[in-house]
Amino acid sequence: QVHLQQWGAGLLKPSETLSLTCALYDGSFSGYYWSWIRQPPGKGLEWIGEINHSGRTNYNPSLKSRVTISVDTSKSQFSLKLTSVTAADTAAYYCARKYSGSYSNFDYWGQGILVTVSS
Amino acid sequence: DIQMTQSPSSLSTSVGDRVTITCRASQSISNYLNWYQQKPEKAPKLLIYAASNLQSGVPSRFSGSGSGTDFTLTISSLQPEDFATYYCQQSYSTLYTFGQGTKLEIK
Repeated sequence: QVHLQQWGAGLLKPSETLSLTCALYDGSFSGYYWSWIRQPPGKGLEWIGEINHSGRTNYNPSLKSRVTISVDTSKSQFSLKLTSVTAADTAAYYCARKYSGSYSNFDYWGQGILVTVSS
Repeated sequence: DIQMTQSPSSLSTSVGDRVTITCRASQSISNYLNWYQQKPEKAPKLLIYAASNLQSGVPSRFSGSGSGTDFTLTISSLQPEDFATYYCQQSYSTLYTFGQGTKLEIK
Protein backbone atom coordinates (compact mmCIF):
# COMPACT_ATOMS: atom_id res chain seq x y z
CA GLN A 1 0.00 0.00 0.00
CA VAL A 2 1.50 3.29 -1.11
CA HIS A 3 2.14 5.67 1.77
CA LEU A 4 3.49 9.21 1.61
CA GLN A 5 4.93 10.81 4.74
CA GLN A 6 5.92 14.47 4.74
CA TRP A 7 7.77 16.71 7.17
CA GLY A 8 9.25 20.17 7.50
CA ALA A 9 9.09 23.44 9.42
CA GLY A 10 5.59 24.69 10.18
CA LEU A 11 6.34 28.26 11.20
CA LEU A 12 8.36 30.71 9.14
CA LYS A 13 9.06 34.43 9.17
CA PRO A 14 8.56 36.57 6.06
CA SER A 15 11.46 36.33 3.58
CA GLU A 16 12.54 32.91 4.86
CA THR A 17 12.64 29.74 2.76
CA LEU A 18 10.00 27.05 3.10
CA SER A 19 11.48 23.56 3.01
CA LEU A 20 9.44 20.34 3.00
CA THR A 21 10.27 16.72 2.24
CA CYS A 22 8.03 13.83 1.30
CA ALA A 23 9.01 10.16 1.49
CA LEU A 24 7.43 7.24 -0.29
CA TYR A 25 6.93 4.00 1.59
CA ASP A 26 5.80 0.72 0.05
CA GLY A 27 5.68 1.64 -3.57
CA SER A 28 7.67 2.23 -6.71
CA PHE A 29 9.26 5.65 -7.07
CA SER A 30 10.04 5.40 -10.77
CA GLY A 31 7.37 5.66 -13.41
CA TYR A 32 5.47 8.45 -11.69
CA TYR A 33 5.54 12.17 -11.23
CA TRP A 34 5.54 13.50 -7.67
CA SER A 35 3.72 16.72 -6.95
CA TRP A 36 3.34 19.44 -4.36
CA ILE A 37 -0.09 21.03 -3.90
CA ARG A 38 -1.10 23.69 -1.40
CA GLN A 39 -4.31 24.95 0.17
CA PRO A 40 -4.59 28.28 2.02
CA PRO A 41 -6.84 28.08 5.10
CA GLY A 42 -10.47 27.88 4.05
CA LYS A 43 -9.61 28.07 0.35
CA GLY A 44 -9.11 25.82 -2.65
CA LEU A 45 -6.22 23.75 -3.98
CA GLU A 46 -3.27 25.09 -5.99
CA TRP A 47 -0.82 22.85 -7.83
CA ILE A 48 2.76 23.99 -7.20
CA GLY A 49 4.84 21.66 -9.34
CA GLU A 50 6.07 18.12 -9.96
CA ILE A 51 9.17 16.02 -10.50
CA ASN A 52 9.86 12.53 -11.81
CA HIS A 53 12.55 10.06 -10.78
CA SER A 54 14.89 11.42 -13.43
CA GLY A 55 14.62 14.92 -12.04
CA ARG A 56 12.45 16.35 -14.79
CA THR A 57 10.31 19.13 -13.36
CA ASN A 58 7.21 21.12 -14.23
CA TYR A 59 6.23 24.19 -12.22
CA ASN A 60 3.22 26.44 -11.89
CA PRO A 61 4.30 29.65 -13.69
CA SER A 62 2.81 31.74 -10.90
CA LEU A 63 5.37 30.31 -8.45
CA LYS A 64 8.17 29.23 -10.76
CA SER A 65 10.59 32.01 -9.85
CA ARG A 66 10.54 30.98 -6.18
CA VAL A 67 10.11 27.18 -6.33
CA THR A 68 12.59 24.34 -6.55
CA ILE A 69 11.53 20.70 -6.42
CA SER A 70 14.27 18.10 -6.10
CA VAL A 71 14.45 14.33 -5.83
CA ASP A 72 16.56 11.76 -3.99
CA THR A 73 15.76 8.45 -5.61
CA SER A 74 18.08 6.53 -3.27
CA LYS A 75 15.73 7.43 -0.41
CA SER A 76 12.49 7.60 -2.46
CA GLN A 77 12.11 11.19 -1.35
CA PHE A 78 11.33 14.48 -3.00
CA SER A 79 11.52 17.98 -1.60
CA LEU A 80 10.04 21.44 -2.02
CA LYS A 81 11.80 24.74 -1.48
CA LEU A 82 9.90 28.01 -1.74
CA THR A 83 11.96 31.14 -1.25
CA SER A 84 11.05 34.61 0.03
CA VAL A 85 7.82 33.52 1.69
CA THR A 86 5.11 35.99 2.67
CA ALA A 87 1.83 35.67 4.57
CA ALA A 88 0.22 34.73 1.23
CA ASP A 89 2.20 31.47 1.33
CA THR A 90 0.46 30.37 4.52
CA ALA A 91 -1.24 27.12 3.59
CA ALA A 92 -1.47 23.39 4.12
CA TYR A 93 1.10 21.82 1.82
CA TYR A 94 0.49 18.34 0.44
CA CYS A 95 2.71 15.98 -1.47
CA ALA A 96 0.96 13.65 -3.90
CA ARG A 97 1.66 10.96 -6.46
CA LYS A 98 0.49 11.69 -9.96
CA TYR A 99 -0.71 8.59 -11.75
CA SER A 100 0.60 9.19 -15.25
CA GLY A 101 -1.38 6.87 -17.43
CA SER A 102 -3.61 8.03 -20.24
CA TYR A 103 -5.52 10.21 -17.79
CA SER A 104 -3.40 11.56 -15.01
CA ASN A 105 -4.71 12.12 -11.50
CA PHE A 106 -3.44 12.49 -7.95
CA ASP A 107 -4.15 9.10 -6.46
CA TYR A 108 -2.09 9.11 -3.27
CA TRP A 109 -1.52 12.05 -0.93
CA GLY A 110 0.61 12.83 2.08
CA GLN A 111 -0.99 13.86 5.36
CA GLY A 112 -0.36 17.56 4.79
CA ILE A 113 1.60 20.12 6.78
CA LEU A 114 0.27 23.52 7.76
CA VAL A 115 2.93 26.14 7.13
CA THR A 116 2.30 29.51 8.72
CA VAL A 117 4.24 32.63 7.73
CA SER A 118 4.14 35.27 10.43
CA SER A 119 6.48 37.83 11.87
CA ASP B 1 -4.63 28.68 -17.42
CA ILE B 2 -7.74 26.55 -17.66
CA GLN B 3 -10.26 27.87 -15.15
CA MET B 4 -12.53 25.38 -13.41
CA THR B 5 -15.82 26.66 -12.00
CA GLN B 6 -17.98 24.56 -9.70
CA SER B 7 -21.59 25.07 -8.70
CA PRO B 8 -23.01 25.36 -6.23
CA SER B 9 -20.34 26.54 -3.78
CA SER B 10 -22.29 24.96 -0.94
CA LEU B 11 -25.34 22.77 -0.61
CA SER B 12 -27.53 21.90 2.37
CA THR B 13 -28.63 18.34 1.98
CA SER B 14 -30.00 15.39 3.91
CA VAL B 15 -29.03 11.76 4.25
CA GLY B 16 -30.62 9.81 1.41
CA ASP B 17 -30.76 12.77 -0.99
CA ARG B 18 -29.54 12.54 -4.56
CA VAL B 19 -26.88 15.22 -5.04
CA THR B 20 -25.42 16.63 -8.24
CA ILE B 21 -22.41 18.95 -8.40
CA THR B 22 -21.37 20.59 -11.64
CA CYS B 23 -17.97 21.65 -12.90
CA ARG B 24 -17.36 23.78 -15.97
CA ALA B 25 -14.00 24.26 -17.70
CA SER B 26 -13.04 27.50 -19.44
CA GLN B 27 -12.10 25.50 -22.55
CA SER B 28 -12.66 21.99 -23.81
CA ILE B 29 -10.73 19.42 -21.77
CA SER B 30 -12.18 16.27 -23.40
CA ASN B 31 -12.64 13.92 -20.43
CA TYR B 32 -9.48 14.90 -18.56
CA LEU B 33 -11.43 15.59 -15.40
CA ASN B 34 -11.03 14.21 -11.90
CA TRP B 35 -13.12 14.54 -8.74
CA TYR B 36 -11.84 14.56 -5.17
CA GLN B 37 -13.47 14.47 -1.74
CA GLN B 38 -11.89 16.34 1.16
CA LYS B 39 -12.86 16.14 4.81
CA PRO B 40 -11.74 18.75 7.37
CA GLU B 41 -8.04 18.62 8.20
CA LYS B 42 -7.51 15.72 5.78
CA ALA B 43 -5.90 15.35 2.38
CA PRO B 44 -8.15 15.11 -0.66
CA LYS B 45 -9.17 11.63 -1.79
CA LEU B 46 -9.56 10.67 -5.45
CA LEU B 47 -13.11 9.57 -6.28
CA ILE B 48 -13.48 9.71 -10.05
CA TYR B 49 -10.86 9.92 -12.81
CA ALA B 50 -11.22 10.53 -16.54
CA ALA B 51 -14.67 12.04 -15.91
CA SER B 52 -16.54 8.81 -15.28
CA ASN B 53 -14.21 6.12 -13.91
CA LEU B 54 -14.66 5.13 -10.28
CA GLN B 55 -11.40 4.90 -8.34
CA SER B 56 -10.82 1.54 -6.69
CA GLY B 57 -12.52 1.28 -3.30
CA VAL B 58 -14.92 4.18 -3.85
CA PRO B 59 -18.59 3.32 -3.26
CA SER B 60 -20.77 2.90 -6.33
CA ARG B 61 -23.18 5.63 -5.18
CA PHE B 62 -20.61 8.05 -6.62
CA SER B 63 -20.66 8.58 -10.37
CA GLY B 64 -19.31 11.09 -12.84
CA SER B 65 -20.26 12.17 -16.33
CA GLY B 66 -19.53 14.76 -18.97
CA SER B 67 -16.97 15.73 -21.56
CA GLY B 68 -15.76 18.88 -23.26
CA THR B 69 -16.49 21.70 -20.84
CA ASP B 70 -19.35 20.46 -18.64
CA PHE B 71 -19.11 17.75 -16.03
CA THR B 72 -21.16 16.41 -13.13
CA LEU B 73 -20.52 14.42 -9.98
CA THR B 74 -23.57 12.61 -8.65
CA ILE B 75 -24.07 10.94 -5.30
CA SER B 76 -27.11 8.73 -5.67
CA SER B 77 -28.06 8.46 -1.98
CA LEU B 78 -26.12 10.64 0.41
CA GLN B 79 -24.60 8.89 3.42
CA PRO B 80 -23.46 10.56 6.67
CA GLU B 81 -19.79 10.08 5.72
CA ASP B 82 -20.31 11.97 2.44
CA PHE B 83 -20.64 15.38 4.08
CA ALA B 84 -17.41 16.94 2.86
CA THR B 85 -16.04 19.32 0.25
CA TYR B 86 -15.72 18.15 -3.33
CA TYR B 87 -13.25 19.44 -5.93
CA CYS B 88 -12.95 18.93 -9.64
CA GLN B 89 -9.52 19.07 -11.30
CA GLN B 90 -8.45 19.14 -14.93
CA SER B 91 -5.49 17.15 -16.21
CA TYR B 92 -5.77 18.29 -19.84
CA SER B 93 -3.07 20.89 -19.31
CA THR B 94 0.13 20.26 -17.34
CA LEU B 95 -0.76 23.39 -15.38
CA TYR B 96 -3.22 21.41 -13.28
CA THR B 97 -6.08 23.47 -11.87
CA PHE B 98 -8.88 22.77 -9.43
CA GLY B 99 -12.38 24.09 -8.99
CA GLN B 100 -13.08 26.23 -5.95
CA GLY B 101 -14.92 23.43 -4.18
CA THR B 102 -18.48 22.48 -3.26
CA LYS B 103 -19.24 21.98 0.43
CA LEU B 104 -22.02 19.58 1.34
CA GLU B 105 -23.64 20.52 4.63
CA ILE B 106 -26.25 18.76 6.71
CA LYS B 107 -29.69 20.35 6.39
